[in-house]
Amino acid sequence: DGGITQSPKYLFRKEGQNVTLSCEQNLNHDAMYWYRQDPGQGLRLIYYSQIVNDFQKGDIAEGYSVSREKKESFPLTVTSAQKNPTAFYLCASSIVPQPQHFGDGTRLSIL
Amino acid sequence: GENVEQHPSTLSVQEGDSAVIKCTYSDSASNYFPWYKQELGKRPQLIIDIRSNVGEKKDQRIAVTLNKTAKHFSLHITETQPEDSAVYFCAASYSGGGADGLTFGKGTHLIIQP
Repeated sequence: DGGITQSPKYLFRKEGQNVTLSCEQNLNHDAMYWYRQDPGQGLRLIYYSQIVNDFQKGDIAEGYSVSREKKESFPLTVTSAQKNPTAFYLCASSIVPQPQHFGDGTRLSIL
Repeated sequence: GENVEQHPSTLSVQEGDSAVIKCTYSDSASNYFPWYKQELGKRPQLIIDIRSNVGEKKDQRIAVTLNKTAKHFSLHITETQPEDSAVYFCAASYSGGGADGLTFGKGTHLIIQP
């Protein structure tokens, strides 16, 4: 079954800790994206990657890092520099110029 | 950068009536405008999109209109049903299909009253 898989579904972070959110797709999509969603807010772009080994900052990249070593994988690390990490994180992918499709998301909370 | 404003934030309509959600964008270079529906705790799902070379697009009960001169686009849902209740997001991008990412509005909570 093709799709975008995000894991884990729920994640808890302690103060000063880095955590990594997984995003895997088996759709053979070139482009992948990370968005952050806060309650009552729209989605905001964190990072995106159009090809392997290349990625670009989005609107709110501070405190986050990514890698794109494989076409199917685009993990997001929330570093300790991100002071307000509690949010719903959504990964998306597409074959440009086709629309983006989203995974089920990871909900990150602070302990 | 691009800025997208969405109105209203909450919209309540009677079942069977029509609903209209409006968005404005700031960057005249934007050329791709998708609409997503998100149910509570779930992923956003694309319901319709429009590119700047057309003024209107329909898909059954859903339509989107685009006014490039005024830089606004709208979602129209006719004959609303209970399953239409959700949060709807508009978005804009100046790159084809959102290649450089999408800029989203803050969402409209659509409530269908029985």
